[in-house]
Amino acid sequence: AQTVTQSQPEMSVQEAETVTLSCTYDTSESDYYLFWYKQPPSRQMILVIRQEAYKQQNATENRFSVNFQKAAKSFSLKISDSQLGDAAMYFCAYRDFGNEKLTFGTGTRLTIIP
Amino acid sequence: DGGITQSPKYLFRKEGQNVTLSCEQNLNHDAMYWYRQDPGQGLRLIYYSQIVNDFQKGDIAEGYSVSREKKESFPLTVTSAQKNPTAFYLCASSLPRDNEKLFFGSGTQLSVL
Repeated sequence: AQTVTQSQPEMSVQEAETVTLSCTYDTSESDYYLFWYKQPPSRQMILVIRQEAYKQQNATENRFSVNFQKAAKSFSLKISDSQLGDAAMYFCAYRDFGNEKLTFGTGTRLTIIP
Repeated sequence: DGGITQSPKYLFRKEGQNVTLSCEQNLNHDAMYWYRQDPGQGLRLIYYSQIVNDFQKGDIAEGYSVSREKKESFPLTVTSAQKNPTAFYLCASSLPRDNEKLFFGSGTQLSVL
């Protein structure tokens, strides 16, 4: 079974600085998808960014970018110019090609220091 | 506005009681999901459905039941067989493509009296 590991339960960063959240996963598949979801205090889950495993280029969405290392099975999220609104739980998630099931990590709580 | 509506926001269950959590979407999505979230843990899949009148068990289906009689609706019943039901329950939907994101509802917090 696929597993997703987020080894940082909590992280903090100074406003306007850059922070990187770690995620590793275990799979024997070659085709899959990876996601980062954000859960603010409202508890609404919001997609931050997604990556297809067959794409070598790292995905970017404005201030959010990933470092996808397929051989190392690593999928870290970098947040640049951190803002107060970035404070949330961040979940890494994995999905096999052709499989409806999305497997989540345990999350990293990000605090932004003004 | 399109979206997913979960109700109620808070729900209390007495011992031995079945309770049903509502999930409705007007996004015309085929796939719908139920996840459970416990403190310090990620989301765990309970049930999912790809089409009307069909659904599959997820990782923690024991003690839960679902139905999918309409495309828009995917209610979850927490039965008395679920011995530890206190959790935050999230419903989601998506288009039937692998890289499609999940749209989530705002969740239901279930507590045991």
